[in-house]
Amino acid sequence: EIVLTQSPGTLSLSPGERATVSCRASQTISATYLAWYQRRPGQTPRLLIYGASIRATGIPDRFSGSGSGTDFTLTISRLEPEDFAVYFCQHYGSSPYTFGQGTKLEIK
Amino acid sequence: QVHLLQSGAEVRKPGASVTVSCRASGYTFASYAVHWVRQAPGQRLEWMAWISPDNGKTKYSQKFQGRVTISRDTSANTVYMELSSLTSEDTAVYYCARPRTSGWSDFDTWGQGTLVTVSS
Repeated sequence: EIVLTQSPGTLSLSPGERATVSCRASQTISATYLAWYQRRPGQTPRLLIYGASIRATGIPDRFSGSGSGTDFTLTISRLEPEDFAVYFCQHYGSSPYTFGQGTKLEIK
Repeated sequence: QVHLLQSGAEVRKPGASVTVSCRASGYTFASYAVHWVRQAPGQRLEWMAWISPDNGKTKYSQKFQGRVTISRDTSANTVYMELSSLTSEDTAVYYCARPRTSGWSDFDTWGQGTLVTVSS
């Protein structure tokens, strides 16, 4: 089973700043099978990025993903008020699918 | 609009079973698998199983093998997840989710979640 470890656990930033969230896999994985999601309070997860770097339909271009091997990154270039939420990564290239523990992005 | 509608919250005693339903709309039901994922309090999301609605093929996480059963009713565009031999550690929000594509895929649509509470 591939374990995904995110850092930091909590990120405190202000609107307009840049956010960077890391997701590290316990073994090398294909970037093809790495996704990022956003979850706002009271809402279901929203797919942001798949294939490590491909924005899902309707996702603003301030969201970007990168990485390969064991290290992957989600970047939000300029934070908007609605971006303060929980973010988590997912590996879906083998069974069982696994998820990171989540990173809470909070307003500083 | 693609939508997954889950059944309401459930309370069960230890040792009992629970069934959660997930009704799909807005797309061709047989064309996409349906996955089940849960999140216990303070824990990360945990993948449980998937079913292929067209042929009923299933795949279960080893962790839940023997305790979880996924089934579908194609006439009702509905998938069911039954979890048996419940313990307090099964207290969680259970989600169904639809993959974006066939094969190994991320999830582009999620149900609203169903809280299952196991308590004596």
